[in-house]
Amino acid sequence: QVRLRESGPGLVKPSETLSLTCTVSGGSISSYYWSWIRQSPGKGLEWIGYIYNSGDINYNPSLKSRVTISVDTSKNQVSLNLISVTAADTAVYYCARDVKYSDSSGYYHWYFDLWGRGTLVTVSS
Amino acid sequence: SSELTQDPAVSVALGQAVRITCQGDSLRSYYASWYQQKPGQAPVLVLYGRNTRPSGIPDRFSGSTSGDIASLTITGAQAEDEADYYCSSRDTSAKHSVFGSGTKVTVL
Repeated sequence: QVRLRESGPGLVKPSETLSLTCTVSGGSISSYYWSWIRQSPGKGLEWIGYIYNSGDINYNPSLKSRVTISVDTSKNQVSLNLISVTAADTAVYYCARDVKYSDSSGYYHWYFDLWGRGTLVTVSS
Repeated sequence: SSELTQDPAVSVALGQAVRITCQGDSLRSYYASWYQQKPGQAPVLVLYGRNTRPSGIPDRFSGSTSGDIASLTITGAQAEDEADYYCSSRDTSAKHSVFGSGTKVTVL
């Protein structure tokens, strides 16, 4: 059974860097897309970005200038770095497995089939 | 386009049916996936593709798509279905995922 667990500091100071790790157990991270998603208190879900085998990475255009996602296949981990954080970055951060499949017509679609429990990161001095 | 629009809230009587919609240009190209989120919990995938439920999701959850609107229907709503529901798909570039703003379902 594949499990995802986010870890990292729960408190980050404004202007500093938020760094989180998603550890995948029970399966390999290779050959899957992995996304980071966040949810500000009382708000909806916001996709941050995805990574696929280090070679295919895309970010939410609204965060692109501040975010980096990387993967360490030897540790089965996906990492998130978000620089220059402000209070607006306070949120629960989730990692999720992003499944790509093709339909009978050959078109591709995606869905998030597995999620971690999430970790709350508060940006405050 | 990168927006998916959902109604903020909907209510349904216990045992009745409720339809939640999600509208966006990208849905003309990509199927929506649907997520149920209860307070303090991570989202859970309840539907994806044309109308596919992951293992363990009750068959009272079903989906459809017509044009730029995807729908999630709960037929015979139960008290445990009270939650926030989010739709998601890739945007029209296929490079970014987007989420709808969520629909709060209240079971009366």
